[in-house]
Amino acid sequence: AQSVTQLDSHVSVSEGTPVLLRCNYSSSYSPSLFWYVQHPNKGLQLLLKYTSAATLVKGINGFEAEFKKSETSFHLTKPSAHMSDAAEYFCVVSYYNTDKLIFGTGTRLQVFP
Amino acid sequence: GAVVSQHPSRVICKSGTSVKIECRSLDFQATTMFWYRQFPKQSLMLMATSNEGSKATYEQGVEKDKFLINHASLTLSTLTVTSAHPEDSSFYICSASDRVPNEQYFGPGTRLTVT
Repeated sequence: AQSVTQLDSHVSVSEGTPVLLRCNYSSSYSPSLFWYVQHPNKGLQLLLKYTSAATLVKGINGFEAEFKKSETSFHLTKPSAHMSDAAEYFCVVSYYNTDKLIFGTGTRLQVFP
Repeated sequence: GAVVSQHPSRVICKSGTSVKIECRSLDFQATTMFWYRQFPKQSLMLMATSNEGSKATYEQGVEKDKFLINHASLTLSTLTVTSAHPEDSSFYICSASDRVPNEQYFGPGTRLTVT
């Protein structure tokens, strides 16, 4: 069965410093993996997705994630945090051959000036 | 890009009444729509999957008679919470998918409060 584990419920960084949001997955076959961001009072927005093509995936707003099969990880990174990055981030895996998505528990990113 | 709307954004209702939430895909045809529930400070839990013109498929533990889902057209799905109770208070989010596998577009959510 597929699952995702987000290791940190909260991450705080200063503006201009790097961001690392950790995600580990469990899947019995090659999964599709996603990162979504949720701003207050807004819909979930897709940041990026991995679907068995390049292991380093670039997304919107300067975010990227690297699929590491040996570590079963799909961590989200950004070189320099911006105040507008403060939000809730979800790592998501999809069921094999279906449209069902399984969400991690989320990581709240705080960015301090 | 693909836009999904939900209406209403917030609703307060009395215990025992029913509430309908609409989910619309504004600029694409959604072959599949999904309904999620999100408790405060928690993740999204899939409630059901609906395909246009057919009955919804509910996840284990979700009461289909309590959460009625109708997907009557390729742009509209509705979730009706029947005989609402305070424990039904939650944030309900829909998403819609066209034919691209795994790509879902999410609505902004509906905050339901049952008093």
